Amino acid sequence: GAVVSQHPSWVICKSGTSVKIECRSLDFQATTMFWYRQFPKQSLMLMATSNEGSKATYEQGVEKDKFLINHASLTLSTLTVTSAHPEDSSFYICSARVTAANTGELFFGEGSRLTVL
Amino acid sequence: QKEVEQNSGPLSVPEGAIASLNCTYSDRVSQSFFWYRQYSGKSPELIMSIYSNGDKEDGRFTAQLNKASQYVSLLIRDSQPSDSATYLCAVHTGTASKLTFGTGTRLQVTL
Repeated sequence: GAVVSQHPSWVICKSGTSVKIECRSLDFQATTMFWYRQFPKQSLMLMATSNEGSKATYEQGVEKDKFLINHASLTLSTLTVTSAHPEDSSFYICSARVTAANTGELFFGEGSRLTVL
Repeated sequence: QKEVEQNSGPLSVPEGAIASLNCTYSDRVSQSFFWYRQYSGKSPELIMSIYSNGDKEDGRFTAQLNKASQYVSLLIRDSQPSDSATYLCAVHTGTASKLTFGTGTRLQVTL
């Protein structure tokens, strides 16, 4: 399958600091990437849809000023958790679709585990 | 009603048996359906996709789709201990290009 790479795979930070997570499509161009969050023993919840060259679309209940998304190129989207707090500790996973069809398969990055102290 | 529903399990099957995982969805106009496997602490990996009614086989895996009943299932033949994981059903819902996931079924294959 297609390769989506995330970095860092894990990060520990102090409360109040900001953390940036990168998501790259390695062997294809992705005009759209998706950011998910997964708390322990729960399913994946879509946070936002990242669109290359335009603003991200956030799901209801997700604070756009807290979770900044930038999709500056066809192969890179970044998620910045600003002023992180312990309740933001979670597994953040990005994904991308290889085909232009909206109903195509999603491929996931390795995920980034964030722990906020 | 949740958009995508799965039994959380755990579903325990002996090695070599058939594991049957089920999923129901609420959006009648859904067109694409996926099964992902997620090992503990890892991100999901795609196992199967299915778009039309009937069965689709890939190695030991068979996906079954019944749009009239809004039901999709995954059969794993000759289950192996390495199949022990959480299996997520995902459905493309609505007109937006997003995938909605079920809560997953935890499968345990015992020796």
